[in-house]
Amino acid sequence: NAGVTQTPKFQVLKTGQSMTLQCAQDMNHNSMYWYRQDPGMGLRLIYYSASEGTTDKGEVPNGYNVSRLNKREFSLRLESAAPSQTSVYFCASSEQTASSGANVLTFGAGSRLTVL
Amino acid sequence: AQKVTQAQTEISVVEKEDVTLDCVYETRDTTYYLFWYKQPPSGELVFLIRRNSFDEQNEISGRYSWNFQKSTSSFNFTITASQVVDSAVYFCALSDGGANNLFFGTGTRLTVIP
Repeated sequence: NAGVTQTPKFQVLKTGQSMTLQCAQDMNHNSMYWYRQDPGMGLRLIYYSASEGTTDKGEVPNGYNVSRLNKREFSLRLESAAPSQTSVYFCASSEQTASSGANVLTFGAGSRLTVL
Repeated sequence: AQKVTQAQTEISVVEKEDVTLDCVYETRDTTYYLFWYKQPPSGELVFLIRRNSFDEQNEISGRYSWNFQKSTSSFNFTITASQVVDSAVYFCALSDGGANNLFFGTGTRLTVIP
């Protein structure tokens, strides 16, 4: 029962470097999400994918791109990392379509990213 | 606009004490959903409960209970006879009827002292 798997768990980047966070779910969920968690700010949505082939911006999309590679996988890319992107990133998935508003999200374990 | 306020940043209790975590929300929608998630020290977020705006019945699950009051826009969470394993950050969250988002509060860190 893997659920939602994120890699890597930890990453240190220098300003300007690029990297991709990988996320895969094995629950046959339709919707997938990327959140970032910062101290004192809770979790904020970066991007989501309501279904395979679609992606939409969330609350804080600037500086990020995403790809819904297939139903299982949803990756988050930082093209030119900045110190402001130092955060813990969570991938999540849900069974229901993203338009229902009643989604119960299953979260991955998180990826801690530090940008120097 | 949706907003979730968890005014208690950190709470410490001694084991076996009861503790209530407060959550106040704002939304203009008549249909919305409220959630509580737990984030233990290991880091992953664990779903605890979902409530829709039409169901104001309180809910009890073992040592956990939730008090939903639309009149005060609150969805408070009580842990009875707290245990060390309850130590975690607890997030309240709101999803309005048609949005593709879950608005999180800033979380309350609960420490249960043995």
